[in-house]
Amino acid sequence: ETGVTQTPRHLVMGMTNKKSLKCEQHLGHNAMYWYKQSAKKPLELMFVYSLEERVENNSVPSRFSPECPNSSHLFLHLHTLQPEDSALYLCASSQDPGLATQYFGPGTRLTVL
Amino acid sequence: QQQVKQSPQSLIVQKGGISIINCAYENTAFDYFPWYQQFPGKGPALLIAIRPDVSEKKEGRFTISFNKSAKQFSLHIMDSQPGDSATYFCAASRRTSGTYKYIFGTGTRLKVLA
Repeated sequence: ETGVTQTPRHLVMGMTNKKSLKCEQHLGHNAMYWYKQSAKKPLELMFVYSLEERVENNSVPSRFSPECPNSSHLFLHLHTLQPEDSALYLCASSQDPGLATQYFGPGTRLTVL
Repeated sequence: QQQVKQSPQSLIVQKGGISIINCAYENTAFDYFPWYQQFPGKGPALLIAIRPDVSEKKEGRFTISFNKSAKQFSLHIMDSQPGDSATYFCAASRRTSGTYKYIFGTGTRLKVLA
């Protein structure tokens, strides 16, 4: 595996379910990000992690809970989501949060029923 | 001040033609301007990026033109090919509290006709 991988690629869940999205980067980077991509809206930054510490929480509702157990893995735990949370969730990484270039994974297409 | 306005929303170009996508920003603190290309079912992939100390950067058929005084930058795709059909996003970013944060445009869906 190379680059940034995400699993699952597609997820359908009910509003009362609990699920998790997983991201893994194979680039030796120290910073990881979660973005939300909704139709006809700009990509929205959700969270930033640097060396496993959360350095940015962009006013994201608490029903989204990130976890970064090490610099290669990032999770997004989901619970009691709303239909408007349906979107493509993208993970990205960069060598350092202070360096500009970010590399994205393929995303998880989430549908909340 | 934090918005990046991208136009057009969609673009159709004949094979061999030039595709031009424009972006405008307001915050002069931005210092890194990448363009990303996204194919259906894939994540955005970095295409080309520029910093405001240069007015133009070219990589193969892709060129960024940057106008610092007008706070505008554009992507030019020369000799457009059907394989270039994708959604293109511009972004503007700056470092705050040690972290680079991107503000993305809304995207341009490009279709290149064979």
